[in-house]
Amino acid sequence: QITLQESGPTLVKPTQTLTLTCTFSGFSLTTSGVGVGWIRQPPGKALEWLTLIYWDDDKRFTPSLRNRLTITKDTAKNQVFLTMTNMDPVDTATYYCVLGLGQYQLLSFFSWGQGTLVTVSS
Amino acid sequence: QSVLTQPPSASGTPGQRVTISCSGSSSNIATNYIYWYQQLPGTAPKLLIYKNNQRPSGVPDRFSGSKSGTSASLAITGLRSEDEADFYCSAWDDSLSGWVFGGGTRLTVL
Repeated sequence: QITLQESGPTLVKPTQTLTLTCTFSGFSLTTSGVGVGWIRQPPGKALEWLTLIYWDDDKRFTPSLRNRLTITKDTAKNQVFLTMTNMDPVDTATYYCVLGLGQYQLLSFFSWGQGTLVTVSS
Repeated sequence: QSVLTQPPSASGTPGQRVTISCSGSSSNIATNYIYWYQQLPGTAPKLLIYKNNQRPSGVPDRFSGSKSGTSASLAITGLRSEDEADFYCSAWDDSLSGWVFGGGTRLTVL
């Protein structure tokens, strides 16, 4: 059974750095074709893909946020970490950790965590 | 503004067939697979259709996907009340080197 669980702060102040952890089970991030990524959804709005890290440490970022995002993995602990700098109230959203299967245009976001709501407010 | 364009809403009565469109461009839908995700109220999205028209295990065959040129469609036949959800299309975009989503379509079963 595949599970992904997001964890981290629910409230951050403007200009602070957000760090979220995704802890997963049921698959390995050392398997070819496997990636773990982050997708966010502001309240009442659409999904937005942020970043993804592949089994071989290849990383992809959405261009508009590239300079604010970092993604890393700890394969031994089955964890992926998202860091987003200089948080702003417009970054208030539910952040989902997702399992991606396949590469680039062949990738589907196969399984999703339950999501964690992060509010940016002073 | 989303890269892929979907109608904000759709509706139908139980048993009806409804379709949801997704419009893109030569850098995404025209040259790459389309994926559809279903988000039931208060829950995380779920993969509904992959590689244009393939259904993951457990997804009823009432759901089907198609693609033509720079547009794609999701069709739902035999509409049920439990199909009420938000639906999102997604694809890889060659120009952005990343995945893009549509703005989502809220399906209401009347």
